[in-house]
Amino acid sequence: GAGVSQSPSNKVTEKGKDVELRCDPISGHTALYWYRQSLGQGLEFLIYFQGNSAPDKSGLPSDRFSAERTGGSVSTLTIQRTQQEDSAVYLCASSYSFDRAEAFFGQGTRLTVV
Amino acid sequence: AQSVSQHNHHVILSEAASLELGCNYSYGGTVNLFWYVQYPGQHLQLLLKYFSGDPLVKGIKGFEAEFIKSKFSFNLRKPSVQWSDTAEYFCAVTGNTGGFKTIFGAGTRLFVKA
Repeated sequence: GAGVSQSPSNKVTEKGKDVELRCDPISGHTALYWYRQSLGQGLEFLIYFQGNSAPDKSGLPSDRFSAERTGGSVSTLTIQRTQQEDSAVYLCASSYSFDRAEAFFGQGTRLTVV
Repeated sequence: AQSVSQHNHHVILSEAASLELGCNYSYGGTVNLFWYVQYPGQHLQLLLKYFSGDPLVKGIKGFEAEFIKSKFSFNLRKPSVQWSDTAEYFCAVTGNTGGFKTIFGAGTRLFVKA
């Protein structure tokens, strides 16, 4: 597609439920990022996929968070047993290569845990 | 660990005032530096970037930034702001020692009074 696409745009879930957030990167982009944007917290790095390398998961806040990237393209971020503090905007970005490339962002998924 | 620090969380200016937003980073090795902007209701988008060469880089809409290696800084400037510059601004860094993982600062919210 023309840009990074994320779905759903908004998600309201009950505390304790699992959620899946989807990201379709720009075709041909080898790097894919997930970030979390909370009010006053800026952009918190979560996970980074680069080609076929093992993902950098160093930003995942707990073992309730996981992500996968299938076929080097679509990525899914899964949050298990959601908590109220998980409420945030989850942003996906992709870039053409890992070096010297700007990141292109999706519109984000606004997650609200009630 | 890699990190980016933005000194101002909120800035309020009148139109035609000059702008300077501070950014300092901690990231070993060779770095690439970016400023991204998020206008209200829009995606994050690239404002300007530095990879090498002239440390004074110019971006869109009259913005510029100066890389000062000795100070680990990449401050954003604009001589005369407009109401339409109201947005959130993020400094970001990537580099070879971090596997080219892009790290963002907490962001600076700029409000320009008409």
